[in-house]
Amino acid sequence: QKEVEQNSGPLSVPEGAIASLNCTYSDRGSQSFFWYRQYSGKSPELIMFIYSNGDKEDGRFTAQLNKASQYVSLLIRDSQPSDSATYLCAVNAGYGGATNKLIFGTGTLLAVQP
Amino acid sequence: GAVVSQHPSWVICKSGTSVKIECRSLDFQATTMFWYRQFPKQSLMLMATSNEGSKATYEQGVEKDKFLINHASLTLSTLTVTSAHPEDSSFYICSARDRPYATNEKLFFGSGTQLSVL
Repeated sequence: QKEVEQNSGPLSVPEGAIASLNCTYSDRGSQSFFWYRQYSGKSPELIMFIYSNGDKEDGRFTAQLNKASQYVSLLIRDSQPSDSATYLCAVNAGYGGATNKLIFGTGTLLAVQP
Repeated sequence: GAVVSQHPSWVICKSGTSVKIECRSLDFQATTMFWYRQFPKQSLMLMATSNEGSKATYEQGVEKDKFLINHASLTLSTLTVTSAHPEDSSFYICSARDRPYATNEKLFFGSGTQLSVL
């Protein structure tokens, strides 16, 4: 059973601080990794995706991937109250072709305190 | 970005009835669609994958005779929950991509359907 694990939180950070969200995955063959933001009762919204080891930055968001440790993280700089949501880590399962599908973690609830 | 329209947004039904949820791609051809279910405070659990014109592939533990998926056209997939029971109450979300072999950064989600079975 391929698994994606996250700390459910809540992770509480003050406004302006850096929020660090972590995710581990069990399938060593996974090649692509995604972070989604989900507000309560809404569908997920893609924030970042990363394929290669190292860091990938997009605005206030940085995704970090370490395939050897099977670990992916998301950093949010200058956190804002509007960032308060559940952040879902997703890992691509399947090895190409029509079997490509995403396996989601349970999500981490982030609360940014004004 | 591409739009996936999902209807209804919420539905309340009596136990034993069937409920159909529609997922439409509005500005692209959705060759592959995924159906997820999400219970409160839990993650999205993949139920099935459907490719246009083919039978859906169900994940382990998902009853294919209870959750009927039809993907007869490139813009429409439907999920029918047959003989719904209270334990089927959940948030159902569809997602679609425009190519069967595409990587999933081009995966577009519907707005979800909250199903409550009394």
